[in-house]
Amino acid sequence: AQSVTQLDSHVSVSEGTPVLLRCNYSSSYSPSLFWYVQHPNKGLQLLLKYTSAATLVKGINGFEAEFKKSETSFHLTKPSAHMSDAAEYFCVVSEGRAGNNRKLIWGLGTSLAVNP
Amino acid sequence: NAGVTQTPKFQVLKTGQSMTLQCAQDMNHEYMSWYRQDPGMGLRLIHYSVGAGITDQGEVPNGYNVSRSTTEDFPLRLLSAAPSQTSVYFCASSLRPGRDGYTFGSGTRLTVV
Repeated sequence: AQSVTQLDSHVSVSEGTPVLLRCNYSSSYSPSLFWYVQHPNKGLQLLLKYTSAATLVKGINGFEAEFKKSETSFHLTKPSAHMSDAAEYFCVVSEGRAGNNRKLIWGLGTSLAVNP
Repeated sequence: NAGVTQTPKFQVLKTGQSMTLQCAQDMNHEYMSWYRQDPGMGLRLIHYSVGAGITDQGEVPNGYNVSRSTTEDFPLRLLSAAPSQTSVYFCASSLRPGRDGYTFGSGTRLTVV
């Protein structure tokens, strides 16, 4: 069965320093993977997605993630944190074969704090 | 293009009351889902639909009903509200969830007293 583990529940960085949010997954099939962001008291927004194309995926707001099959990881990075990046981040894996599978498996989230 | 619209944004219910959370999307998406979000538990799937007339249970369906009479609308009904249903509820839609992910509404914060 598919599962997602976000390795850190809280990450704190200083503004201008790199961000690394770690995500490991397990999947019996070639997975589709997503990162979502949720700002305080807001809905969820898709940051980026991997769907078996390029392993380095670029998303919005300068974020990117690299799919590493050998390590079953999909870590989210950003070279330089901004105060507006403070939010909750969710790693998500699709269930079943890639395509029109309907269920997504959610990680428990990583709360990112950005200090001035 | 409004995306996914949820109403109401906030609601307080008394135990035993019933209510319907509304969800509408204007993107002609076949797939729609309801999630609840609770602290420390991430998002949990309540019910989902793969098209008009077709619904199925997620991992936490008890106490909730759904129907999908049109492509656009996917209401969630609480039959007899309980304090354990205090949560933030999100509706989401997608054309191809495994490839595109979901587009989320802004959520409904429900408190059951």
